[in-house]
Amino acid sequence: VQLQESGPGLVKPSETLSLSCTVSVYSISSGLYWGWIRQSPEKGLEWIGSINHSGTTYYNPSLKSRVSISVDTSKNYFSLRLDSVTAADTALYYCVSAGTDPLGAAHWGQGTLVTVSS
Amino acid sequence: EVVLTQSPGTLSLSPGERATLSCRASQSVNSGHLAWHQQKPGQAPRLLIYGTYRRFTDTPDRFSGSGSGTEFTLTISRLEPEDFAVYYCHHYETSPATFGQGTKVEIK
Repeated sequence: VQLQESGPGLVKPSETLSLSCTVSVYSISSGLYWGWIRQSPEKGLEWIGSINHSGTTYYNPSLKSRVSISVDTSKNYFSLRLDSVTAADTALYYCVSAGTDPLGAAHWGQGTLVTVSS
Repeated sequence: EVVLTQSPGTLSLSPGERATLSCRASQSVNSGHLAWHQQKPGQAPRLLIYGTYRRFTDTPDRFSGSGSGTEFTLTISRLEPEDFAVYYCHHYETSPATFGQGTKVEIK
């Protein structure tokens, strides 16, 4: 499984962070789960959430009010949306293939740095 | 939320030595849902061990995992130069999944 994140590296406070993850070599409709994890010096590794091909989602309760993960099976990618960002959302964002466990992390993308700043 | 506490924070060892890394959970974890990841500088983490002791694809057999309940261990039998990195334990049984703060294995 190969995963590649894409999206803006800079987001203004109070705006929405949007990232996509393109999946290669493997079908996103395979029945596995696909997720997002972020890493910052302050919080370390933080699980954000995951989704499967049918749209079943799991979210970290601490982010649930602001986060949404969606999937596009026709284009073989999934996306992350995080609303009302603050500086605390500045982090390296990884997309992962979670395998059969929705909270797992089997394969990792290379990560993309998102900075929240005006 | 399950809090994972790793010890020690840093382990200073020489190549060829044995490394023992500890991960303690704040509550009992199903051993089928405890993993270890390795992260080298400038790289994404990489899954090494899942289900407490199962080696993931391409994980060398010098890496082994053990434990149950609230105490889990990652052992590297003989350190190779490429093993010096940061290691994270990861619980993925109940939401939210959580990670330990990491143990850095550095060259002595």
